[in-house]
Amino acid sequence: DAKTTQPPSMDCAEGRAANLPCNHSTISGNEYVYWYRQIHSQGPQYIIHGLKNNETNEMASLIITEDRKSSTLILPHATLRDTAVYYCIVRFPRGNDYKLSFGAGTTVTVRA
Amino acid sequence: KAGVTQTPRYLIKTRGQQVTLSCSPISGHRSVSWYQQTPGQGLQFLFEYFSETQRNKGNFPGRFSGRQFSNSRSEMNVSTLELGDSALYLCASSLEGQPAGNGYTFGSGTRLTVV
Repeated sequence: DAKTTQPPSMDCAEGRAANLPCNHSTISGNEYVYWYRQIHSQGPQYIIHGLKNNETNEMASLIITEDRKSSTLILPHATLRDTAVYYCIVRFPRGNDYKLSFGAGTTVTVRA
Repeated sequence: KAGVTQTPRYLIKTRGQQVTLSCSPISGHRSVSWYQQTPGQGLQFLFEYFSETQRNKGNFPGRFSGRQFSNSRSEMNVSTLELGDSALYLCASSLEGQPAGNGYTFGSGTRLTVV
């Protein structure tokens, strides 16, 4: 029951910015956009989340369109260690479903 | 602070056996969720516990069960193992009341192989 669409894969050159798109055209007004990533054989790792405004932290930036139907996760200077599967998730920050619904995600390969 | 600890890290079982996996959440976290990850189905939600009560359950057969103890540690059990139960089982803990997105911390998982 994932409500997002992501490209299955993308390549990125080391040191360059990686821009990961996500479509969430059915997002409701109070749902947030979350990004997680999963490096091979590890558990998913939280990256960033946002509602309307663009957000930035030490890992990445999140750009959300004005109509909130899509967003882009930006890894400003990709390194080989950023090779992972990236998941875009939309959900209410609190509620009674108590779960994350992961889609297939985008497999990002950073090449030297 | 210590992260989410899952034991064992790897496990090999035979069809028909049962297995118990353990998850110790981050200190102070009272919510524990379990996920199954397989190449074909991806990450799927199993169940979530808070204060020893199951609050939500995914679409898995009754062979999959869990429980949470008063110290918030959680176990999940799979009975009558099938080959299709081979997967990475992930546990996530969160602090109730915080926005869910940045509140989930996952463990490294238990890799279960059924032969």
